[in-house]
Amino acid sequence: EVQLVESGGGLVQPGESLRLSCAASGFTFSSYPITWVRQAPGKGLEWVSAINGGGYNTYYADSVKGRFTISRDNSKNTLYLQMNSLRAEDTAVYYCAQTGISYYYMDVWGKGTAVTVSS
Amino acid sequence: EIVMTQSPASLSVSPGERVTLSCRASQSVTSKLAWFQQKPGQAPRLLIYGASTRATGIPARFSGSGSGAEFTLTISSLQSEDFAVYYCQQYNNWPLTFGGGTKVEIK
Repeated sequence: EVQLVESGGGLVQPGESLRLSCAASGFTFSSYPITWVRQAPGKGLEWVSAINGGGYNTYYADSVKGRFTISRDNSKNTLYLQMNSLRAEDTAVYYCAQTGISYYYMDVWGKGTAVTVSS
Repeated sequence: EIVMTQSPASLSVSPGERVTLSCRASQSVTSKLAWFQQKPGQAPRLLIYGASTRATGIPARFSGSGSGAEFTLTISSLQSEDFAVYYCQQYNNWPLTFGGGTKVEIK
């Protein structure tokens, strides 16, 4: 069974940093792109970032470009999202999702980890 | 950026009724369109990808259609467990974008 488990969320002050992790199991991790999607309280879904299976192609939403960095360690079956210079508008539940092997639709989702940016 | 517009924003439906949700793209996304269902407090779940292919385990009452810039998700006979918010997402172009969602409520 494919499983994705996010961790690393919490309460931080504006300007601070946080690193999210997504531990994967049940599939050949290195073969699949993975994405991060977030959802602000009471709002819709917003795509944040994606990375291909090998880790050498990365993609970002304009709202996080230059502040967030996506990476993966295929030896540990783990995805990361390094979030710097956090803003109040980054407050959201962050989900990682396995995409299709060739196309970037979100096939299997984790349960999410909550990030709150507030002073 | 491709803007995805879903309509209606919400609708009230009785169990057993047929429901049709719309998703429109600001430019063609060919057939690279997915639909998701999200219930309160839960992560989204993939229903449809490739505009019309049901994901694993999705009941046959869910069907998707369309191509280019106009898409439809149809639930043939709404069940109690189908009351949720539905989102479309295009994956033809970067950045990936979602529609604003359609909330299906009990009438």
